[in-house]
Amino acid sequence: AQSVTQLGSHVSVSEGALVLLRCNYSSSVPPYLFWYVQYPNQGLQLLLKYTTGATLVKGINGFEAEFKKSETSFHLTKPSAHMSDAAEYFCAVSDLVGGNTDKLIFGTGTRLQVFP
Amino acid sequence: DAGITQSPRHKVTETGTPVTLRCHQTENHRYMYWYRQDPGHGLRLIHYSYGVKDTDKGEVSDGYSVSRSKTEDFLLTLESATSSQTSVYFCATRPGSNSPLHFGNGTRLTVT
Repeated sequence: AQSVTQLGSHVSVSEGALVLLRCNYSSSVPPYLFWYVQYPNQGLQLLLKYTTGATLVKGINGFEAEFKKSETSFHLTKPSAHMSDAAEYFCAVSDLVGGNTDKLIFGTGTRLQVFP
Repeated sequence: DAGITQSPRHKVTETGTPVTLRCHQTENHRYMYWYRQDPGHGLRLIHYSYGVKDTDKGEVSDGYSVSRSKTEDFLLTLESATSSQTSVYFCATRPGSNSPLHFGNGTRLTVT
């Protein structure tokens, strides 16, 4: 079965600095990959997704992520952090093992803090 | 999002009592999911449904059961609640297996 690893449970950046949140998955079969954001006391919202095609995916709020098959990674970046980006971010992967794509497996999350 | 309503939003119950959480969607999505969110564990899949009366287990299904008698409703039941089931429970839906999930706003359950 698939697994997802998010390196760093907490990341702190200054406003205007680069944001880099790391995500690695386990499968050798290219999966479908997603990044979600969760603001306090809310459900998760989709930031971006990769299914097929272009490996650099642009999402909402200026975020983007690049699928790198050779590194089994799908890191999330934003060139310039804003205070409103402070939230928890989750990487998720569809479990394609055995042809079953019904399950979506989440990482443990990375809490992003943005300092003025 | 996607017209997902979870009820109740908050619940406090005692150990050993049965609890049912409800998820209602208005988008006619085929797939529905129940996740629990706990600090340090992210979201873990409890059960999911791929159609009316079609359900399957997730990674943390012990102590939970589900039912889906209509497309729009997906019920999660804790037959005999335990303190380890204190958590925030999220329902999610999606129209197809390659689509992103749409989440409800969660139910905070406390088992005392």
